Amino acid sequence: TQLLEQSPQFLSIQEGENLTVYCNSSSVFSSLQWYRQEPGEGPVLLVTVVTGGEVKKLKRLTFQFGDARKDSSLHITAAQPGDTGLYLCAGDTTSYDKVIFGPGTSLSVIP
Amino acid sequence: GAVVSQHPSWVICKSGTSVKIECRSLDFQATTMFWYRQFPKQSLMLMATSNEGSKATYEQGVEKDKFLINHASLTLSTLTVTSAHPEDSSFYICSAGGGGPGELFFGEGSRLTVL
Repeated sequence: TQLLEQSPQFLSIQEGENLTVYCNSSSVFSSLQWYRQEPGEGPVLLVTVVTGGEVKKLKRLTFQFGDARKDSSLHITAAQPGDTGLYLCAGDTTSYDKVIFGPGTSLSVIP
Repeated sequence: GAVVSQHPSWVICKSGTSVKIECRSLDFQATTMFWYRQFPKQSLMLMATSNEGSKATYEQGVEKDKFLINHASLTLSTLTVTSAHPEDSSFYICSAGGGGPGELFFGEGSRLTVL
């Protein structure tokens, strides 16, 4: 059973389109992170959200943490080919002593 | 930000040989590091938690005698794949905490191919 679910699993869009990736759980998270991983490299931290309802922006990326701290979303505006990669959400809960990763969303942005 | 470095970035070996992968924290001390395995277009699968000065904690289903982990200093953890077989071919990644709560810094990953 996945503690963190992500949707969609795969996404292929044209350059310039908008998209949203979702990360959901039945557990409450103390904090939640989003990472982007490019092929053949390790994941890179994009953002951490810790407060329920929090919204953070990173250029064309908008991250939101759910009020109950059980879910999060990542919205990309005007996607570019450089946004291509595997997006992973991860979080730590009071129930587990390790960071839990979602299954990932593989994004392809076609020029 | 904190930097974690892995070496080698890729390695090809013959079946039956052992391969060692190093994970270093370059500008901070890491009492705990994590080792993951990743298959193409899939998420990270935690293999074990490496603890400085003590035994590693392995996840269920991971053979500790197969994947030897040593964390002899605060800046270095090593993963040795012993008697490697083709099914051990994978992308291995290490990480260490060093930022805010739950935040991890990852190495570049090591691609292992066993012939």
